[in-house]
Amino acid sequence: EPEVTQTPSHQVTQMGQEVILRCVPISNHLYFYWYRQILGQKVEFLVSFYNNEISEKSEIFDDQFSVERPDGSNFTLKIRSTKLEDSAMYFCASSERTGTFSNQPQHFGDGTRLSIL
Amino acid sequence: AQKVTQAQTEISVVEKEDVTLDCVYETRDTTYYLFWYKQPPSGELVFLIRRNSFDEQNEISGRYSWNFQKSTSSFNFTITASQVVDSAVYFCALYNQGGKLIFGQGTELSVKP
Repeated sequence: EPEVTQTPSHQVTQMGQEVILRCVPISNHLYFYWYRQILGQKVEFLVSFYNNEISEKSEIFDDQFSVERPDGSNFTLKIRSTKLEDSAMYFCASSERTGTFSNQPQHFGDGTRLSIL
Repeated sequence: AQKVTQAQTEISVVEKEDVTLDCVYETRDTTYYLFWYKQPPSGELVFLIRRNSFDEQNEISGRYSWNFQKSTSSFNFTITASQVVDSAVYFCALYNQGGKLIFGQGTELSVKP
């Protein structure tokens, strides 16, 4: 079964440094998402992306964050100047369609654990 | 407002006991989907079930069953004859018209031998 892959599985970065988290969505999927889960807390939506544009973003997704689909396969999340509170698990997800008429769930990657020192 | 509430933060049971995880949601949408995900200690999110708002039939899959009641805005999850491997955090989530998943706080289930 096709799956969403995320690299690296664990990223350790010094505070203030830039970090790029990478995701390869399922190949025929058109909608892409990033979610964040601070340790011990719930999974929170960050951003959705379709047709090379951000569809929706949460309050968490401020100017320090950006997303990009640099080629036909990768979907990246960049944090420009990391803060201690950015330490979390970051999940990428993709779906074939969206909206309430979609009958496909979002497929999640295994996550990247980001640790800011 | 869109919201998912899982009031049980932690549940501990002994193997072979049945356990029900509660989920209550809020939405003004008439069409929506509800999900359950399992997050084992390794951290990944494992999809368990999707339910759409027009289908209130209960569903059973092996030891897992789900009770969707629109009248009470609840989508509860029952594990029958629990096993140690069921130990995980379980998340209920609401999928809205915008296409994003709104997760509850999660219930940490601990099944002891």
